[in-house]
Amino acid sequence: EPEVTQTPSHQVTQMGQEVILRCVPISNHLYFYWYRQILGQKVEFLVSFYNNEISEKSEIFDDQFSVERPDGSNFTLKIRSTKLEDSAMYFCASSVLKYNEQFFGPGTRLTVL
Amino acid sequence: AQTVTQSQPEMSVQEAETVTLSCTYDTSESNYYLFWYKQPPSRQMILVIRQEAYKQQNATENRFSVNFQKAAKSFSLKISDSQLGDTAMYFCAITYHTNAGKSTFGDGTTLTVKP
Repeated sequence: EPEVTQTPSHQVTQMGQEVILRCVPISNHLYFYWYRQILGQKVEFLVSFYNNEISEKSEIFDDQFSVERPDGSNFTLKIRSTKLEDSAMYFCASSVLKYNEQFFGPGTRLTVL
Repeated sequence: AQTVTQSQPEMSVQEAETVTLSCTYDTSESNYYLFWYKQPPSRQMILVIRQEAYKQQNATENRFSVNFQKAAKSFSLKISDSQLGDTAMYFCAITYHTNAGKSTFGDGTTLTVKP
């Protein structure tokens, strides 16, 4: 069964460093998403992406964040200068249509020291 | 702004018993979709059940069923014959037909199934 994959599973970085989180969505899906979940808190929407552009982004998704689909298969989230409060689990998701079930990846745990 | 409320942070149930998790939401939209996701301790979130708002019939998936009350904006999940593998965090989520597919999640309910 097709699934969303994410790498790395755990990323440790120093404050101020750039990180790139990678996702491979399910191949026939058209909509892609990033969510984050700070430990013990709810899942929060960051950004949605369709047709090679951002469809919607939350207030969390400021200028430090960017997304890209560089090669038609990978979907990346870049944080330019990480802050301590960026420590969280980051989930990638994809869906066939925008209001269909979203399939989630296993997540990347980002720890900013 | 849409909101989703799960009023039960933690629940427990004996194996083989039935448990109901509550979810309420706030919206002025008429077309939307409701989901229950399960997040086991391994952390990958998977879909449990989906309900389209325009359908009056409650969705059912094996031991999982929903009680969808559109007027009351309520979307509860019933788990019958609970199994140890049902132990997980359960999230209720809403997605609107008109937006970019963004899902808004509730705070989650941690369900523990006891042997």
